[in-house]
Amino acid sequence: EAGVTQFPSHSVIEKGQTVTLRCDPISGHDNLYWYRRVMGKEIKFLLHFVKESKQDESGMPNNRFLAERTGGTYSTLKVQPAELEDSGVYFCASSPKPDIYGYTFGSGTRLTVV
Amino acid sequence: GQNIDQPTEMTATEGAIVQINCTYQTSGFNGLFWYQQHAGEAPTFLSYNVLDGLEEKGRFSSFLSRSKGYSYLLLKELQMKDSASYLCAVMDSNYQLIWGAGTKLIIKP
Repeated sequence: EAGVTQFPSHSVIEKGQTVTLRCDPISGHDNLYWYRRVMGKEIKFLLHFVKESKQDESGMPNNRFLAERTGGTYSTLKVQPAELEDSGVYFCASSPKPDIYGYTFGSGTRLTVV
Repeated sequence: GQNIDQPTEMTATEGAIVQINCTYQTSGFNGLFWYQQHAGEAPTFLSYNVLDGLEEKGRFSSFLSRSKGYSYLLLKELQMKDSASYLCAVMDSNYQLIWGAGTKLIIKP
C-alpha cells in the first residue's frame, strides 16, 4: 500500500512569491490533516479535511494560507504571498476515521522563504 | 491553554537504557502517542497509551499516568540507529494531535 505522499520535498522561494504544496493521502482515507513545524518549535495543527469538506481550520495562521481538497482526494496548501516566518516543514497525515487507527504521516515538505 | 513538555536533548551510551519524559495539559484526552523522527523523514509511530500503565513493545516501552498528566518512553539496549528525535503527542477531545517540541536523543558509542 502506498503511503502518504507529499511534494515537493523541498521548496525555496523568495518572500512575496506563491508556493503550493501537495499531499496525496492513502487511498480511501477520508480524513486528511495538515501540520506545520517551524524551526525549533513543536508541530502545530493547521486543518482537518473530511473528504472535501474542511472539518476544522482553526490552526490556519492567517488568510495567506489556503487549503483545498477537490473531490476528496489529494489536497493542496497554497501560501500567497509567502513571508519569512512561513519557513518550516509542512506535514500531511491521513486516516480512515478521525481517530488513531491508520493515522499515517507523509515525509513533509521543507519550505524555505528567503 | 494546551501544553506538552519534554526535554530538548538527551545523551546516552550504546547498550544503555534511557527514559524520555513528557508532561501534558490538554483540553480532553484521547490518548498519548510517541513518534520517532529521523532527520528529513516522516514521524513514525512507536506507541499509543490511553489507559494508565506500561505498554511494552520489544526494546521500547511507554508509560502513562493520566492523573499526573505524565508519560515516559523507555528505550532499552540502545543502538546507534536509535539516534533520532522522539515526539510526544496527545490527541485531544477533537481528535487533533497536540505535539511536544521533541527530544533529540544522541547515542554515543
